[in-house]
Amino acid sequence: EAGVTQSPTHLIKTRGQQATLRCSPISGHTSVYWYQQALGLGLQFLLWYDEGEERNRGNFPPRFSGRQFPNYSSELNVNALELEDSALYLCASSPTPGQGSGEQYFGPGTRLTVT
Amino acid sequence: LAKTTQPISMDSYEGQEVNITCSHNNIATNDYITWYQQFPSQGPRFIIQGYKTKVTNEVASLFIPADRKSSTLSLPRVSLSDTAVYYCLVVPYYGGSQGNLIFGKGTKLSVKP
Repeated sequence: EAGVTQSPTHLIKTRGQQATLRCSPISGHTSVYWYQQALGLGLQFLLWYDEGEERNRGNFPPRFSGRQFPNYSSELNVNALELEDSALYLCASSPTPGQGSGEQYFGPGTRLTVT
Repeated sequence: LAKTTQPISMDSYEGQEVNITCSHNNIATNDYITWYQQFPSQGPRFIIQGYKTKVTNEVASLFIPADRKSSTLSLPRVSLSDTAVYYCLVVPYYGGSQGNLIFGKGTKLSVKP
């Protein structure tokens, strides 16, 4: 069974540009979560999508947005990039919420560098 | 969501048993205790989850006392490859209405030869 996949592996952008990160969940999983892990910091929750709807978002500005497609894959968009957006962006998936608990499956991440 | 407290770092030697304790004084009735492992520049990996008493899988054991205010992750006979950050999380039974996991700073385990 294929795991969570993310693309690209690395992304280099300049300040003010936009970045688009992509995630494909495990087959059968309907929920996709996005997390940010800046260097030396813990994982910070960004967004949660389930069945195409945004279910919750973390304490991040509106320039962080995303969407989930009918095939449950997801896209994270970061507009007006700032230097402090440089981080490892992790995507995770899980089966339909309410049927499990804390088990999420994480992808390898996208390393975003803003110069 | 209940806050968790765990040691910032721990050192061990290959072949030893490592016990990482996490306190969660405000755990709610429907909360589960979940542990994740993370290697540098990789996504976290689910290790084990439990509600009470003891849970064991092929990787680790999780001990939870009756009052559930703390839990201990036990890694038997660690090797160098177990060097990683270990996170203790308290998660509502149904995944939480918020859906997201709250990661603290974790415990950085260093295994030496």
